[in-house]
Amino acid sequence: DSGVTQTPKHLITATGQRVTLRCSPRSGDLSVYWYQQSLDQGLQFLIQYYNGEERAKGNILERFSAQQFPDLHSELNLSSLELGDSALYFCASSVGQGRDTEAFFGQGTRLTVV
Amino acid sequence: AQKITQTQPGMFVQEKEAVTLDCTYDTSDPSYGLFWYKQPSSGEMIFLIYQGSYDQQNATEGRYSLNFQKARKSANLVISASQLGDSAMYFCAMREGVTGGGNKLTFGTGTQLKVEL
Repeated sequence: DSGVTQTPKHLITATGQRVTLRCSPRSGDLSVYWYQQSLDQGLQFLIQYYNGEERAKGNILERFSAQQFPDLHSELNLSSLELGDSALYFCASSVGQGRDTEAFFGQGTRLTVV
Repeated sequence: AQKITQTQPGMFVQEKEAVTLDCTYDTSDPSYGLFWYKQPSSGEMIFLIYQGSYDQQNATEGRYSLNFQKARKSANLVISASQLGDSAMYFCAMREGVTGGGNKLTFGTGTQLKVEL
């Protein structure tokens, strides 16, 4: 158990809908990262938050947004869902934001858009 | 341009043998970190080992060791005494800084390892 908790584990929804994925980082970790894993794109970095502030942005679509709350949990919001958004979404956390800090992953949320 | 290259889509190894999974990387940043993760069929990403760009010695964690050759920009994972439970997808990743002070992990395409009796 990495200590990073993601809910829900599975989500099935229809095209055009909006969903929210939730992540609770390991105790004491200030950085939260979101990644998307799909068959055609592999593992892609979406966004990083550090202590409530956005710090890095990757290939995140405009239909997607995220935030980190004062209690350090984070949510990833996906709207106007398309079939191609079906993927495994991971949250990871680390103590700081230095390049030498380890990142521990949650078990992921498997999103299926039908 | 591919920043992390894993050239072995699939590997087979016999139980109790050692296996090396290849990883090369490309960066112009003098400060970076290299990671290996294991992803079993259940889907979770399990952290295995980390190597910093300034580390003088190769990292080791139990049966895992990282063969870091900085000049060649390679960071191969060596698994000794393979076990059936080692069968999984293995990802090499590099952490780099990005504009604004944050950082991100860039992953390779992975190597599917199968341990056989």
